[in-house]
Amino acid sequence: DAGVIQSPRHEVTEMGQEVTLRCKPISGHNSLFWYRQTMMRGLELLIYFNNNVPIDDSGMPEDRFSAKMPNASFSTLKIQPSEPRDSAVYFCASSNRGLGQFFGPGTRLTVL
Amino acid sequence: GEDVEQSLFLSVREGDSSVINCTYTDSSSTYLYWYKQEPGAGLQLLTYIFSNMDMKQDQRLTVLLNKKDKHLSLRIADTQTGDSAIYFCAEIRDNQGGKLIFGQGTELSVKP
Repeated sequence: DAGVIQSPRHEVTEMGQEVTLRCKPISGHNSLFWYRQTMMRGLELLIYFNNNVPIDDSGMPEDRFSAKMPNASFSTLKIQPSEPRDSAVYFCASSNRGLGQFFGPGTRLTVL
Repeated sequence: GEDVEQSLFLSVREGDSSVINCTYTDSSSTYLYWYKQEPGAGLQLLTYIFSNMDMKQDQRLTVLLNKKDKHLSLRIADTQTGDSAIYFCAEIRDNQGGKLIFGQGTELSVKP
């Protein structure tokens, strides 16, 4: 089992550029979660999907953030345009009902 | 309130036992979890306990649950330097979608 796969692992971009983060959940898991982690704010849930449908996007900070899950094996988180305050580690996690969430290794985003 | 509460820091000597405490908020939570995050890595699911249990033991880890006080603890026996990490407790908030509410994390420092 490959676990949750995220790409890229590191991303450095300039302010104003579009950033797309990708996630492949564990096969058979029916829920997918996007988190952001910073020293100042800790771990924040941005959005989650259940059976590919967005359930709660109340954590998405601004309209510059959007997420899609076109099928059960792929999700993207897009930031457009990016700003320096978006610099963080972004985690994707997947779960199968109440059996716990399994996290990917994260994407470290730096916006200059 | 909405918050899951943990103390921020714990320091122990190698070989001692560590006890990390957590208070949660929703008495109807069916599952409670402990995660471990090592520097530069994602969150790793350590263990979980079902709400109808008082205790769960898994090798060096013991989870205790006091539902009356909404108190959860993680005991690590014979703590090793490799146990140094941030430990997060979490409660499930949506049984179908698997949404978790995380505490802010306890940084465990193990001194030789």
